[in-house]
Amino acid sequence: GAGVSQSPRYKVAKRGQDVALRCDPISGHVSLFWYQQALGQGPEFLTYFQNEAQLDKSGLPSDRFFAERPEGSVSTLKIQRTQQEDSAVYLCASSPRQGPSEKLFFGSGTQLSVL
Amino acid sequence: AQTVTQSQPEMSVQEAETVTLSCTYDTSESDYYLFWYKQPPSRQMILVIRQEAYKQQNATENRFSVNFQKAAKSFSLKISDSQLGDAAMYFCAPRGGSNYKLTFGKGTLLTVNP
Repeated sequence: GAGVSQSPRYKVAKRGQDVALRCDPISGHVSLFWYQQALGQGPEFLTYFQNEAQLDKSGLPSDRFFAERPEGSVSTLKIQRTQQEDSAVYLCASSPRQGPSEKLFFGSGTQLSVL
Repeated sequence: AQTVTQSQPEMSVQEAETVTLSCTYDTSESDYYLFWYKQPPSRQMILVIRQEAYKQQNATENRFSVNFQKAAKSFSLKISDSQLGDAAMYFCAPRGGSNYKLTFGKGTLLTVNP
């Protein structure tokens, strides 16, 4: 595809349920980021991959959150035993190279609602 | 560590007029870049403009320009000849450090009135 694709676009989960959110970055992009955006707030960093290596997971809010990118392309963010405070939009972004000057290309996010 | 303050939660502008969105930031990085992103209702973040902190010259992209004051750690965005399609949330974001993550402010919601 031409851009970063995220699925599903919307996810409703019952409290305690496990969810998996998928990100398909632009082909060949080395860097991949996950962000969490609560309603009315700016996105907050969750984790960063360079190819298949998870170089920074300092933003993951608890050990219920887990991310992987096993082949250096598609990434999955998994949330176990979802809680109401997990309700947010989860954004994925990729860039062709690492480095602070690189433009990030964002997907349209997955809106997670935990009931 | 980086922090960002966008002091204007909402702004409005008449179509064809000019508006300025403010942003101040703090960073301990010596090598960093500054970005403005726009987020329409579709939720997809779109890059508006980028500034290298080591450059004194202010960046310009068509109707969008910045006023970068490095000593004051200020990075405002000016939108000239505002169009209806400019209506969106605007986020200021510095980027630097070992993992090069973007740190976003809380955003400014821009309304463009016809």
